[in-house]
Amino acid sequence: SAVISQKPSRDICQRGTSLTIQCQVDSQVTMMFWYRQQPGQSLTLIATANQGSEATYESGFVIDKFPISRPNLTFSTLTVSNMSPEDSSIYLCSVGKGYNEQYFGPGTRLTVT
Amino acid sequence: KNEVEQSPQNLTAQEGEFITINCSYSVGISALHWLQQHPGGGIVSLFMLSSGKKKHGRLIATINIQEKHSSLHITASHPRDSAVYICAVRMEYGNKLVFGAGTILRVKS
Repeated sequence: SAVISQKPSRDICQRGTSLTIQCQVDSQVTMMFWYRQQPGQSLTLIATANQGSEATYESGFVIDKFPISRPNLTFSTLTVSNMSPEDSSIYLCSVGKGYNEQYFGPGTRLTVT
Repeated sequence: KNEVEQSPQNLTAQEGEFITINCSYSVGISALHWLQQHPGGGIVSLFMLSSGKKKHGRLIATINIQEKHSSLHITASHPRDSAVYICAVRMEYGNKLVFGAGTILRVKS
């Protein structure tokens, strides 16, 4: 299994500012993912965080808006840049281990005013 | 049509009732996950299935690969089971997870 922690757990931010969310895993993992869950919606994959190289972004998500770092096999950050109210969501870190196993963090609840 | 469809969207049950949540998918998959999300937002993985049936406590998950259908059953439901239950499939090619919209379950005492 994998135990994932995220910081902050929640935040209220002003439009135009940026927030960096941290994800820490208790063991080394190859695959780390960042998801967004907008109010009343299901999860959408933002990007796969690759260790040692640039993240792989899904359609509709760009590096300028959601820069991601992955300095090692246990840690990643997601920044939500130049925020607007539409960015109000839960942001979840997730890791893949073993065969088809996937674990999720507790989420960061972001409100943009 | 979404690749993963869940039913019902909302479900209210009395404590002790047997609950079934259904998931149908239209793509080739390598595995199916059932997830539980509590109001705080965190997600817990309940089951990962590629065939047959799994049981954990009062929870049972089944999958029929030929019919592209899975069910999550909760026996002797309890108010603490109140949560959103999400079905997610791992695509056969590309390793991507695709999520259903979720089923909001409320168990009343």
